[in-house]
Amino acid sequence: DGGITQSPKYLFRKEGQNVTLSCEQNLNHDAMYWYRQDPGQGLRLIYYSQIVNDFQKGDIAEGYSVSREKKESFPLTVTSAQKNPTAFYLCASSKGAFAPGANVLTFGAGSRLTVL
Amino acid sequence: AQKVTQAQTEISVVEKEDVTLDCVYETRDTTYYLFWYKQPPSGELVFLIRRNSFDEQNEISGRYSWNFQKSTSSFNFTITASQVVDSAVYFCALGGRAGAQKLVFGQGTRLTINP
Repeated sequence: DGGITQSPKYLFRKEGQNVTLSCEQNLNHDAMYWYRQDPGQGLRLIYYSQIVNDFQKGDIAEGYSVSREKKESFPLTVTSAQKNPTAFYLCASSKGAFAPGANVLTFGAGSRLTVL
Repeated sequence: AQKVTQAQTEISVVEKEDVTLDCVYETRDTTYYLFWYKQPPSGELVFLIRRNSFDEQNEISGRYSWNFQKSTSSFNFTITASQVVDSAVYFCALGGRAGAQKLVFGQGTRLTINP
């Protein structure tokens, strides 16, 4: 079955370390997204990519970086510049712009990052 | 700017009760989309419904129903005869016209159904 795979599910990091969260989809979706979820704040968009080799900042991009070298993959790096990285990170994908149902997001199971 | 408000942070009811989750949105777009997602304890958000701004008909799917009222900028979600499996966090979201795929999410409502 098609879906989105995020890894690792749980990750612990020491302050000052960069970490990379993996997101892979086999839905043949053009667009991919990273959201951050904090208690009581809902989901906030970090980065999104509508096509390979292109991505845009979301509302809270500072301290994060992404790449989109393959259609299936959209890894997120949480850098040491992110001041409060402890959170639940969700990856999502959707069909290309203007396709039927283009803005319906399919989500992965998430990665929980804890900074020690 | 677009904004979604879910004023109910947590709701707790006894099984078989009906429960309504409120969602109020703000947008200047004339064409927009509204969504509801369910997040069970496993963490993965599950799509429930999408409604575009030109379709104000209420929708019913089994025990779930949605009431869209443009006059009050609301898109409320009702679960009839709730069950323990309905326990989850529910998010309302707002999206722009087709092609503008960014969604703005509300803060979420944690629903607990007690046996």
